[in-house]
Amino acid sequence: VQLEQSGAEVKKPGESLKISCQVSGYRFAGYWLAWVRQMPDKGLEWIGIIYPDDSETRYNPSLQGQVTISADKSINTAYLQWSSLKASDTAMYYCARLRDGYNSCSDFWGQGTQVTVSS
Amino acid sequence: EIVLTQSPGTLSLSPGERATLSCRASQSFSSTYLAWYQQKPGQPPRLLISRSSSRATGIPDRFSGSGSGTDFTLTISSLEPEDFAVYYCHQFGSSPPWTFGQGTKVEMK
Repeated sequence: VQLEQSGAEVKKPGESLKISCQVSGYRFAGYWLAWVRQMPDKGLEWIGIIYPDDSETRYNPSLQGQVTISADKSINTAYLQWSSLKASDTAMYYCARLRDGYNSCSDFWGQGTQVTVSS
Repeated sequence: EIVLTQSPGTLSLSPGERATLSCRASQSFSSTYLAWYQQKPGQPPRLLISRSSSRATGIPDRFSGSGSGTDFTLTISSLEPEDFAVYYCHQFGSSPPWTFGQGTKVEMK
């Protein structure tokens, strides 16, 4: 099982961004996948989850409307996107597979994508 | 939203010592929905314990988890040099959002 995330990004406030997480080694469509944020020198924050088979999503209410989670099961890839970045979006973003369904821990993680938003 | 509070914030111990990390929840939930992760600098989190007390694949038996309701504990029976890291508890039993504790850093004394 591998989750390969896209590379680091440096953006300006107001710009849009889409980062990716391409998986291999398991049936992508059949497992929920989570996105988790870690701001500089801070703890982990749950952003939301997606079930790639039907693209059902759940978001952290505190972040809903600020990000969009999507997936393309034809290429085993999940996405996290912003339409208008803010400096406060600067963080490391991880994707992670949920092991046992909807209410489950994450057993495999991507290496992380660093997003830096600065004018 | 269930808030998880970890204590202490930092634990200063020597190799060979026992580490006891606490995770307290703002409301009760099934222990089935509590996990622990280890994170080292520059690395993603690593699953240690699921279902409050089940070690993940490849995790040494010096790591153990326990607890129920609102109080959960991660114990490292005898610290190895590679165990110095940050540890997070994580709940996923209520309606979203799932939440993490703020972390406990285990540092070498």
